Amino acid sequence: AQSVTQPDIHITVSEGASLELRCNYSYGATPYLFWYVQSPGQGLQLLLKYFSGDTLVQGIKGFEAEFKRSQSSFNLRKPSVHWSDAAEYFCAGCASGGSYIPTFGRGTSLIVHP
Amino acid sequence: DTEVTQTPKHLVMGMTNKKSLKCEQHMGHRAMYWYKQKAKKPPELMFVYSYEKLSINESVPSRFSPECPNSSLLNLHLHALQPEDSALYLCASSLPRTDRGYTDTQYFGPGTRLTVL
Repeated sequence: AQSVTQPDIHITVSEGASLELRCNYSYGATPYLFWYVQSPGQGLQLLLKYFSGDTLVQGIKGFEAEFKRSQSSFNLRKPSVHWSDAAEYFCAGCASGGSYIPTFGRGTSLIVHP
Repeated sequence: DTEVTQTPKHLVMGMTNKKSLKCEQHMGHRAMYWYKQKAKKPPELMFVYSYEKLSINESVPSRFSPECPNSSLLNLHLHALQPEDSALYLCASSLPRTDRGYTDTQYFGPGTRLTVL
């Protein structure tokens, strides 16, 4: 089935450390990929998206993600994590040429230690 | 303005009540979505409206009844809900790509936290 997979349920990092959240996709054609962040009890905020072109995508709040076709991955990175980054992160994707309604990964909960 | 608003923020209702959730956007988006999200889970798609017409119903029970009165407004009417329907209900909107499908990028509202007693 076409989908995205987030292998890590929880990630714990220290404040100021670098961060990488993993997302793998399984779409035949070039997918459309998204990263969203959700703080407790809040809606989802779009961090960044990849549709085509440059494989390194810059987003808001200092996040970036790199599309790697050879690894079927779209990992989210941040060089230095702040305590306010603690939240749930969702990767989402859809196949080009399909319904274009994204399906979501199960989410990765980011815990930031002071 | 990339804002989707939802009211109310919180709703507590009994199983015999009738209530409605409201979603509004003024971004000119013509696709609107309802999602249900349980704690620690990803959002689950419920309904999609495209140009004010219901285009997708993900086999949602009839106790949930969506309505799209105009291009800016989306309602979800609730009746005879069950305790297991307690969840965060999220609304989203996007520019539909009429040539190839629905989504450009979805923008989400803050959600309505629903508790069914």
